[in-house]
Amino acid sequence: EPEVTQTPSHQVTQMGQEVILRCVPISNHLYFYWYRQILGQKVEFLVSFYNNEISEKSEIFDDQFSVERPDGSNFTLKIRSTKLEDSAMYFCASTARLADSYEQYFGPGTRLTVT
Amino acid sequence: LAKTTQPISMDSYEGQEVNITCSHNNIATNDYITWYQQFPSQGPRFIIQGYKTKVTNEVASLFIPADRKSSTLSLPRVSLSDTAVYYCLVGDQNTGGFKTIFGAGTRLFVKA
Repeated sequence: EPEVTQTPSHQVTQMGQEVILRCVPISNHLYFYWYRQILGQKVEFLVSFYNNEISEKSEIFDDQFSVERPDGSNFTLKIRSTKLEDSAMYFCASTARLADSYEQYFGPGTRLTVT
Repeated sequence: LAKTTQPISMDSYEGQEVNITCSHNNIATNDYITWYQQFPSQGPRFIIQGYKTKVTNEVASLFIPADRKSSTLSLPRVSLSDTAVYYCLVGDQNTGGFKTIFGAGTRLFVKA
């Protein structure tokens, strides 16, 4: 069964550093999402991406965040200057069609620890 | 996006049927009801989706009354491995699908 993959599984970085979290969505999927989940809290929507541009973003997704699909397979989330409160699990998700947009396939996540 | 309300937690024993109800009083005509499951340190996993009446798959059943203001996820004969958080989402996939909002979910604890 095809699956969404994410790398790295765990990233430790110092405050103020830039990090790039990588995702490989399922190959025929067209809609991509990033979520974060702070330990013990709910899953929070960050951004959705379609046709090489952002479709929607939440208030969390401020200027320090950016997303990119640099080639035909990867989908990345960049945090320019990390803060302690960015420590969380970051999940990538994808779906094939907008009509299936509530049936998203999630990756295993990247645990980001900012020290 | 319709607001949803679920119990914060539920306990059950192995082999029992578990029913988790979600309230969504302001559901719109074009909204679908979707349930996800999340194990610790894993991403959410789609379980089931429905619009009205009853939907069943190999994992669960979803019961939706005629007024659609609530829905019930039914897990038959749960096992310890069904211990997870279950999320109810309501929205129009064709217009709201770009911004999927998860609530707090229901933490299900299955005991031996």
